[in-house]
Amino acid sequence: GENVEQHPSTLSVQEGDSAVIKCTYSDSASNYFPWYKQELGKGPQLIIDIRSNVGEKKDQRIAVTLNKTAKHFSLHITETQPEDSAVYFCAASKGGGSYIPTFGRGTSLIVHP
Amino acid sequence: GAVVSQHPSRVICKSGTSVKIECRSLDFQATTMFWYRQFPKQSLMLMATSNEGSKATYEQGVEKDKFLINHASLTLSTLTVTSAHPEDSSFYICSARNAGTGSGNTIYFGEGSWLTVV
Repeated sequence: GENVEQHPSTLSVQEGDSAVIKCTYSDSASNYFPWYKQELGKGPQLIIDIRSNVGEKKDQRIAVTLNKTAKHFSLHITETQPEDSAVYFCAASKGGGSYIPTFGRGTSLIVHP
Repeated sequence: GAVVSQHPSRVICKSGTSVKIECRSLDFQATTMFWYRQFPKQSLMLMATSNEGSKATYEQGVEKDKFLINHASLTLSTLTVTSAHPEDSSFYICSARNAGTGSGNTIYFGEGSWLTVV
């Protein structure tokens, strides 16, 4: 089955700096890669996703890159703000309606004002 | 984006009683919903996959007679923790797959339910 590794487990940055979280996956058939943000005591919220037919996707301060050959994808947050502090989860899945996504173990991002 | 509603957000129950948690997809039909359990500062632990109109598929180690899952409609799945014990206290989260045309099978999470068994 699919195996998703996520690094780092904790990331501490100063406000305004950039943050990068990386994930690798094992199943070359995976073609859908969402990222979720989980604030304390709440459910994960989808913030951005990418499919294997594109290499990069951007939405304001966040971007995701995908390297299918190397089987890794990354989340980039620029100009970080204290409200970006949360746990971020990556996931990998085959795109069909019957597949279960595999999640990384999460990255706790702390943005210091 | 799509909304998944989970209720209740917090519940306290006595040991030995049962408690039901509801998960609703508000603006799309979800043929598949997932139930997770999350311990503090840990990742999401998949408990079971719930398919509309059929029996849930449980992950290894999850007691299906203790965690009853029902997915009776395309917008509602329920998790019932039966004969709850303090060790069942946890954060339970559901997610739903939007399998509609053009949706890309995107998965959205509910807000989570804190269960405390006293």
